[in-house]
Amino acid sequence: SQTIHQWPATLVQPVGSPLSLECTVEGTSNPNLYWYRQAAGRGLQLLFYSVGIGQISSEVPQNLSASRPQDRQFILSSKKLLLSDSGFYLCAWSKRETYNEQFFGPGTRLTVL
Amino acid sequence: KQEVTQIPAALSVPEGENLVLNCSFTDSAIYNLQWFRQDPGKGLTSLLLIQSSQREQTSGRLNASLDKSSGRSTLYIAASQPGDSATYLCAAYKAAGNKLTFGGGTRVLVKP
Repeated sequence: SQTIHQWPATLVQPVGSPLSLECTVEGTSNPNLYWYRQAAGRGLQLLFYSVGIGQISSEVPQNLSASRPQDRQFILSSKKLLLSDSGFYLCAWSKRETYNEQFFGPGTRLTVL
Repeated sequence: KQEVTQIPAALSVPEGENLVLNCSFTDSAIYNLQWFRQDPGKGLTSLLLIQSSQREQTSGRLNASLDKSSGRSTLYIAASQPGDSATYLCAAYKAAGNKLTFGGGTRVLVKP
């Protein structure tokens, strides 16, 4: 069976500090990978998605970047955090075939102070 | 641009009552629609995926229908239980690409 992991579970960072959130998937190969952010009052927003190693598509302009150094690893980064980066970050995966079911990880709660 | 709406934003029912959750989308050219459950502070759990060629999908006490012509999907939960209390989100795949557009969710409280 497939499993998706995210860490850390919670993070408190000062404004201007760097960020690195990691997501890994087990039990599948060549998945599509996604980063979402869920902020209070703003719903779930797709930030990045990837269909393969080194292939990243950005959905919204922002202070964040994503990388996929390995097939089942997806990393969300920032060089300098802003207050507005606070939120609940969710990683998800789906099978490579299009329009398949997406499965979500447990999330990372980020608070920028 | 696809927009997904869920009304009401919150719903409270007594235990045992059937739940009816609504989801509407503006672009009928969707490929699939997915329903999720989210407990406070947790990730999303996939409940049902309805293919664009299907009209409904069932899993246990859950039944989801899809009417592309009217831009609606409905999630029915039979004989609600306090453990069904959560936020329910629907999401539609855009006409192109593997991207989901989410509704704002309906927060459900089932009172014992």
